[in-house]
Amino acid sequence: EAGVTQSPRYAVLQEGQAVSFWCDPISGHDTLYWYQQPRDQGPQLLVYFRDEAVIDNSQLPSDRFSAVRPKGTNSTLKIQSAKQGDTATYLCASSLRYEQYFGPGTRLTVL
Amino acid sequence: SQLAEENSWALSVHEGESVTVNCSYKTSITALQWYRQKSGKGPAQLILIRSNEREKRNGRLRATLDTSSQSSSLSITATRCEDTAVYFCATDANAGAKLTFGGGTRLTVRP
Repeated sequence: EAGVTQSPRYAVLQEGQAVSFWCDPISGHDTLYWYQQPRDQGPQLLVYFRDEAVIDNSQLPSDRFSAVRPKGTNSTLKIQSAKQGDTATYLCASSLRYEQYFGPGTRLTVL
Repeated sequence: SQLAEENSWALSVHEGESVTVNCSYKTSITALQWYRQKSGKGPAQLILIRSNEREKRNGRLRATLDTSSQSSSLSITATRCEDTAVYFCATDANAGAKLTFGGGTRLTVRP
């Protein structure tokens, strides 16, 4: 089966610019996650959905970050005004039960 | 402080040797999962061990769980160069719905 796909794979921005990340989960997976992984750290959950509903967005910096999954399939994570501290890899994962399947991530650099 | 953390930042072994990665956690769990992340890839699940289990095996991998000391270990026997990766433990407090990852242990297997 096809895995989780993400685009773009890389992004380089100046501070203050906006960027969107796109995720296509494994077909049939009802739960979708967005993680932020700073260099040399573990993934940190930002938000997760079950179908189109947000289940937990408590770690999402709501003033600049937003995430949607309008039809319960693909998802978009957007950063409105990027800061240097947002430099990290953004991982998308999907699951049906206990195992989360991760995409390759988008490596974001904010200059 | 992190709710889950590996006890070593980096380990190095020669091919064929055995190695153990340790993890401690600070929260009540329903399960603990071990993931491996190779360079440029997303994490991939290796083993899920539930809170009522003490040991789980997957080929050359063996995970243990001690809920009384809130610790887990992942042992790899007969290591191969392709085992070179970062290994994460992730605590699961809600039947797989939400994982908290440790900071990871970077394992290098040398020829």
